[in-house]
Amino acid sequence: DTGVSQNPRHKITKRGQNVTFRCDPISEHNRLYWYRQTLGQGPEFLTYFQNEAQLEKSRLLSDRFSAERPKGSFSTLEIQRTEQGDSAMYLCASSFRTGRDEQFFGPGTRLTVL
Amino acid sequence: QQPVQSPQAVILREGEDAVINCSSSKALYSVHWYRQKHGEAPVFLMILLKGGEQKGHEKISASFNEKKQQSSLYLTASQLSYSGTYFCGTENFGNEKLTFGTGTRLTIIP
Repeated sequence: DTGVSQNPRHKITKRGQNVTFRCDPISEHNRLYWYRQTLGQGPEFLTYFQNEAQLEKSRLLSDRFSAERPKGSFSTLEIQRTEQGDSAMYLCASSFRTGRDEQFFGPGTRLTVL
Repeated sequence: QQPVQSPQAVILREGEDAVINCSSSKALYSVHWYRQKHGEAPVFLMILLKGGEQKGHEKISASFNEKKQQSSLYLTASQLSYSGTYFCGTENFGNEKLTFGTGTRLTIIP
């Protein structure tokens, strides 16, 4: 399968715990995006990378969220001290070179914070 | 600022046509359209770029009115497989970052 993959697919955690999600983009894609989606809403932009460089981070994102893309390959999204409001689907997408290329989305990681 | 989509929901019989609209209060550099089925990831449909370039699937058509900051997606002779929620993602300021609308839920019935 050469699509975008995400792990884990589901994560249940207790409030206050840290969680980390992984995204493996399509191999030749330089751009990688993280989005958050809640029920009935469109994906909400969190951050994006061009190769290993993080180019923008949403102002809505608190300091508890951090993302990395070492070596420009896979990416991780970490949420520290989770809160119930963090419960959502976290989507990863990749595109070939620029933001004006089509984005291929992964299946997402559903986070539930108890 | 989040683009506004209309209608919020529509029900069609198989074979009927639909138009989904996306409107922004800010200047648009590009508009992206995606369809998401329940429990699945969004799937790319089309990109419309400032200046008139389009990239997308042959069976999908859309328009982009730069002056009115609007885009419309045209679904003709709808099939059952067209059911899902359609999202437009808009790019403002040329920063290549998308802001998605709240979606239009399309239901096709036999």
